[in-house]
Amino acid sequence: ILNVEQSPQSLHVQEGDSTNFTCSFPSSNFYALHWYRWETAKSPEALFVMTLNGDEKKKGRISATLNTKEGYSYLYIKGSQPEDSATYLCAFMKTSYDKVIFGPGTSLSVIP
Amino acid sequence: NAGVTQTPKFQVLKTGQSMTLQCAQDMNHEYMSWYRQDPGMGLRLIHYSVGAGITDQGEVPNGYNVSRSTTEDFPLRLLSAAPSQTSVYFCASRDPQGGKYEQYFGPGTRLTVT
Repeated sequence: ILNVEQSPQSLHVQEGDSTNFTCSFPSSNFYALHWYRWETAKSPEALFVMTLNGDEKKKGRISATLNTKEGYSYLYIKGSQPEDSATYLCAFMKTSYDKVIFGPGTSLSVIP
Repeated sequence: NAGVTQTPKFQVLKTGQSMTLQCAQDMNHEYMSWYRQDPGMGLRLIHYSVGAGITDQGEVPNGYNVSRSTTEDFPLRLLSAAPSQTSVYFCASRDPQGGKYEQYFGPGTRLTVT
């Protein structure tokens, strides 16, 4: 069973603060690392999929980096807003046809 | 495109009953999967399929069956419902050959077993 871990489990920040979370995954047999945003009572939505060591992706105030050699990815949110409150999930796959295994998520609450 | 659809949205079962959760997608995705949402554990993979006629077990397959007779449909069957199967179930699909790999999720089915 693949072990995908995320930290911290939860985070409370003030509006305007910048924050980051960590996802760690097996560094062997790596194919792709996904990040999803999951709002309460909704379905998860993809933010990024990264495949190459050193990849950096950005969408608005959210960005992510990838280190496949050491098996970790960081998600950064700059200037957090209340609408960023959600659970952020990372997921790992070993091949393009492989199962996608999720970490437990980081729950972010942004306090106005 | 409707994307990924799931029915029903809500269901209450008694212990021992069986039922099928329906999932369909209209994006011609080869890969489909079922997850359950568990507090503190995120999404756990139940079963997945890489194409019609091919299915495989995920992390928590016990008590569930799947089949994939068409590219579009991937039903999940609960054989004999137990209270431990109370959860929100999500179906997802993706295109393994598209180069993007992100999964598209259905709206979820909230199941309560009493």
